[in-house]
Amino acid sequence: EAGVAQSPRYKIIEKRQSVAFWCNPISGHATLYWYQQILGQGPKLLIQFQNNGVVDDSQLPKDRFSAERLKGVDSTLKIQPAKLEDSAVYLCASSFWGPETQYFGPGTRLLVL
Amino acid sequence: GIQVEQSPPDLILQEGANSTLRCNFSDSVNNLQWFHQNPWVQLINLFYIPSGTKQNGRLSATTVATERYSLLYISSSQTTDSGVYFCAGYIQGAQKLVFGQGTRLTINP
Repeated sequence: EAGVAQSPRYKIIEKRQSVAFWCNPISGHATLYWYQQILGQGPKLLIQFQNNGVVDDSQLPKDRFSAERLKGVDSTLKIQPAKLEDSAVYLCASSFWGPETQYFGPGTRLLVL
Repeated sequence: GIQVEQSPPDLILQEGANSTLRCNFSDSVNNLQWFHQNPWVQLINLFYIPSGTKQNGRLSATTVATERYSLLYISSSQTTDSGVYFCAGYIQGAQKLVFGQGTRLTINP
């Protein structure tokens, strides 16, 4: 069984530029999560989808971050414009449906200069 | 208040030693999970352990839900066990996973 796929693995941009991350969850998993992990901290949930719908985006900075999950499969997370404090690892995870084991992708390291 | 708290923050051991990592969680958190984050930032599921004890090779975990804590045991540590261990739980009534700050484990040869 293939795991959660993410791309790119690394990205370096300058502040005020835009960037997009892609995630493909495990086949058959209805729930998809995007996390932000600042160096030295645990991951923090940004947004959670169940199929196409948003379950929780309370910690997503909506003035600059956006996310979509078309057709209930792949998802894209975008930052526009990026700030220095957005430098972090962005992790995508999926689960079959609800509060059970989540499986994480390899993450995207973002550096904003 | 703090919902998931891990201790110790750092642990340095020699290869072959045993270790115990602790996770305390508040009343609003349940369905505990343990993860290992390797140096390439991949988070690997170790245990989904809302209560009771589970074992997988040299690793085992125990959650005492009534006392709001979970323990992760690593026996006969190997250098490949190095990394950050996270405890995470779900906010009751939601499907939101909240993570602790992690325990950084370093196993020296």
